[in-house]
Amino acid sequence: AQKVTQAQTEISVVEKEDVTLDCVYETRDTTYYLFWYKQPPSGELVFLIRRNSFDEQNEISGRYSWNFQKSTSSFNFTITASQVVDSAVYFCALSEGGNQFYFGTGTSLTVIP
Amino acid sequence: SAVISQKPSRDICQRGTSLTIQCQVDSQVTMMFWYRQQPGQSLTLIATANQGSEATYESGFVIDKFPISRPNLTFSTLTVSNMSPEDSSIYLCSVEDWGGPNTEAFFGQGTRLTVV
Repeated sequence: AQKVTQAQTEISVVEKEDVTLDCVYETRDTTYYLFWYKQPPSGELVFLIRRNSFDEQNEISGRYSWNFQKSTSSFNFTITASQVVDSAVYFCALSEGGNQFYFGTGTSLTVIP
Repeated sequence: SAVISQKPSRDICQRGTSLTIQCQVDSQVTMMFWYRQQPGQSLTLIATANQGSEATYESGFVIDKFPISRPNLTFSTLTVSNMSPEDSSIYLCSVEDWGGPNTEAFFGQGTRLTVV
């Protein structure tokens, strides 16, 4: 079974619109970590945020915000006032405290100027 | 944090040949990870490389096809052997920093491989 599900394959928005990327995860562990990574066209993976299972506080960093809800096993990512430079593939990932990261299938975001 | 240098950054190879990808980390790490990202797909773990022991391969990946070396705590190589067009992918080296709240995976820049 897929441990991390990103149901949105592709999203297109017009610049300055807000956009939310969904992530649903599955784990039986009580201690785990959730991540978001950005992969621009150049290919490198850029770390955006980490959340541990004991910290359900939502977080805002500039135009980025994350909504972590254990009750629904979701860790959604919102970009407000999107910009063309936000165009990339975004991956949600789960680590259960072991050694392996489980990545979702990614959401390709295109911001249209 | 960790800085990972991976090379080559890209290559175009003939089918039937082999390519060795190098991964250098700026600090000593116990485990290094190799991922494959096929076009338009997510990251799939190929194997985990421990220094001083054989790599551990995930289901669907075998040592004969993807031999891995791990001669020391800062370096690893992945070889893609007897390549076919289906091996065209981005290959990524990764290390993980398990520091509790600071847990993070760091990635190299990736090797974009095209097999013709």
